[in-house]
Amino acid sequence: AQTVTQSQPEMSVQEAETVTLSCTYDTSESDYYLFWYKQPPSRQMILVIRQEAYKQQNATENRFSVNFQKAAKSFSLKISDSQLGDAAMYFCAYRSAADAGNMLTFGGGTRLMVKP
Amino acid sequence: DSGVTQTPKHLITATGQRVTLRCSPRSGDLSVYWYQQSLDQGLQFLIHYYNGEERAKGNILERFSAQQFPDLHSELNLSSLELGDSALYFCASSVWGGWNEQFFGPGTRLTVL
Repeated sequence: AQTVTQSQPEMSVQEAETVTLSCTYDTSESDYYLFWYKQPPSRQMILVIRQEAYKQQNATENRFSVNFQKAAKSFSLKISDSQLGDAAMYFCAYRSAADAGNMLTFGGGTRLMVKP
Repeated sequence: DSGVTQTPKHLITATGQRVTLRCSPRSGDLSVYWYQQSLDQGLQFLIHYYNGEERAKGNILERFSAQQFPDLHSELNLSSLELGDSALYFCASSVWGGWNEQFFGPGTRLTVL
């Protein structure tokens, strides 16, 4: 079974600065997808960014980018120019590309605090 | 707004009772997933339905069951409730399985007293 680990329960960053959230995963599969979800105080789960394992190029979405290291099974999220609205729980998630394995496996989450 | 609706938003009940949580997927989405978020277990996958058929099961207790109806809405039934069942229950939907993004509903907060 796949596991996802987020080793930082809490992180803080100064507004306008850059922060990196870590995620590692364990899998024997070669084809899969990785995601970062944001959960603000409203509890809504919002997709931030996604990465296909077969793509070597790191995904970017505006101020959000990932560092995907397939061999190391590492998938970190970098938030640039942090804003107060970025304060939330962030979850790393794994999904198999196999037909039956469509569920998301989540890490334990990292609480990000943004200081003004 | 993801387009996925869940009712009720909050539910307070007693141990031993049975409740039903409802989910309406986004228009056109055939897949429905249920997840449980609790302090003890984090975010866990419970079950996946595709076009009315069960496709995958996760850590779903035998006291829990789900189904997806012909109109594609889904219900999660929780019975013989225990204190530890208190959690936020999310429904997510996608066009089909595979790569497609899962869109999450706002969740149902269940409190078992």
